[in-house]
Amino acid sequence: DTAVSQTPKYLVTQMGNDKSIKCEQNLGHDTMYWYKQDSKKFLKIMFSYNNKELIINETVPNRFSPKSPDKAHLNLHINSLELGDSAVYFCASSQDGVTGETQYFGPGTRLLVL
Amino acid sequence: GNSVTQMEGPVTLSEEAFLTINCTYTATGYPSLFWYVQYPGEGLQLLLKATKADDKGSNKGFEATYRKETTSFHLEKGSVQVSDSAVYFCARSRVDTGRRALTFGSGTRLQVQP
Repeated sequence: DTAVSQTPKYLVTQMGNDKSIKCEQNLGHDTMYWYKQDSKKFLKIMFSYNNKELIINETVPNRFSPKSPDKAHLNLHINSLELGDSAVYFCASSQDGVTGETQYFGPGTRLLVL
Repeated sequence: GNSVTQMEGPVTLSEEAFLTINCTYTATGYPSLFWYVQYPGEGLQLLLKATKADDKGSNKGFEATYRKETTSFHLEKGSVQVSDSAVYFCARSRVDTGRRALTFGSGTRLQVQP
């Protein structure tokens, strides 16, 4: 059983398109996250939801819109894709989102914008 | 701030060599500290963690001690194996977000040669 799963695993698309990435966790966790990993492997938090409520929204272009239909799912929709959006996007989850907790990561979605 | 600084890689070692990967963090608040590992083509997995000063995290022969006086959390292993080849990320919890979300270092690639 995969704890945190993401679809698709790979996504190749043209500039200007709109795309979505989906994430699901079956751990019963209350908090979910989206991280972006750039080509130099640098990882940065984008968003976090706790019980379907947005609690962290970093300085991310408003072309990126997260949606949490329930606490087991956190999707990421990206409008008007740009070349600089090419990266690996990781979803993660943790029990309550408090200090000391382990975050469990999905396998990543490798997005390439041409 | 919430920054984490870790040594640049790649680190190339022979099998059974001693490993140290340095990590220092900014002293804001009382963060929890983590080491995550990313094997090629996979997501991040927690390797070990420590939640308060002087705690030692350990797993699979890796160790790191939370040193408040030097704001460090260096990763060590006495005898590395080829299977340890991966990218290692030091991370701290962020106090500005109720300790939700992690701030990662830039990652250190370890290559172990037989």
